[in-house]
Amino acid sequence: GAGVSQSPSNKVTEKGKDVELRCDPISGHTALYWYRQSLGQGLEFLIYFQGNSAPDKSGLPSDRFSAERTGGSVSTLTIQRTQQEDSAVYLCASSLGGESYEQYFGPGTRLTVT
Amino acid sequence: AQSVTQPDIHITVSEGASLELRCNYSYGATPYLFWYVQSPGQGLQLLLKYFSGDTLVQGIKGFEAEFKRSQSSFNLRKPSVHWSDAAEYFCAVGATGGGNKLTFGTGTQLKVEL
Repeated sequence: GAGVSQSPSNKVTEKGKDVELRCDPISGHTALYWYRQSLGQGLEFLIYFQGNSAPDKSGLPSDRFSAERTGGSVSTLTIQRTQQEDSAVYLCASSLGGESYEQYFGPGTRLTVT
Repeated sequence: AQSVTQPDIHITVSEGASLELRCNYSYGATPYLFWYVQSPGQGLQLLLKYFSGDTLVQGIKGFEAEFKRSQSSFNLRKPSVHWSDAAEYFCAVGATGGGNKLTFGTGTQLKVEL
């Protein structure tokens, strides 16, 4: 079946602009995660959604970052007033949640802030 | 807080040789452990996982890993490496009871010489 998809695959933006990154999880997966992969920080957790529960935002690096998940499916990660240090690959993952903890990752969105 | 150490940043092996990638973790309880592989420009693919039970786990592409609680290790092995195994390998630990947010090691870049 279809895996996790992300769009766009690449995004170049100017410093100070807002960007939105989209994630379509695997159908039926109730848990959705965002991670960031950057040269300086490696792979780091950003935010986690599970069903209708309040999201775990403990990994968001600043209040310029936010995410929402509509209808328990598609998620959008928004970065406001982008900075050069936001340049990274943003990875989305989904899982069945509950006792199933395998996360399946999308191909990522490469964000470059100029 | 949980952490993962992958002490080898780069490893080079000859095709057909055996491989062992090291992973040490720090976690207060029995961890959920994972190995992911990332090929250039690709997302993360799950190779294998350990949740409980048999400490020797088999994964895809001929990989296996052994959980050793006494050494806090989860090393990845393959008896005979193929050129297509060249990629970056990430060990990760999941936070049990906390949505399984993954903490990743810094990765090991594997080069395979023909």
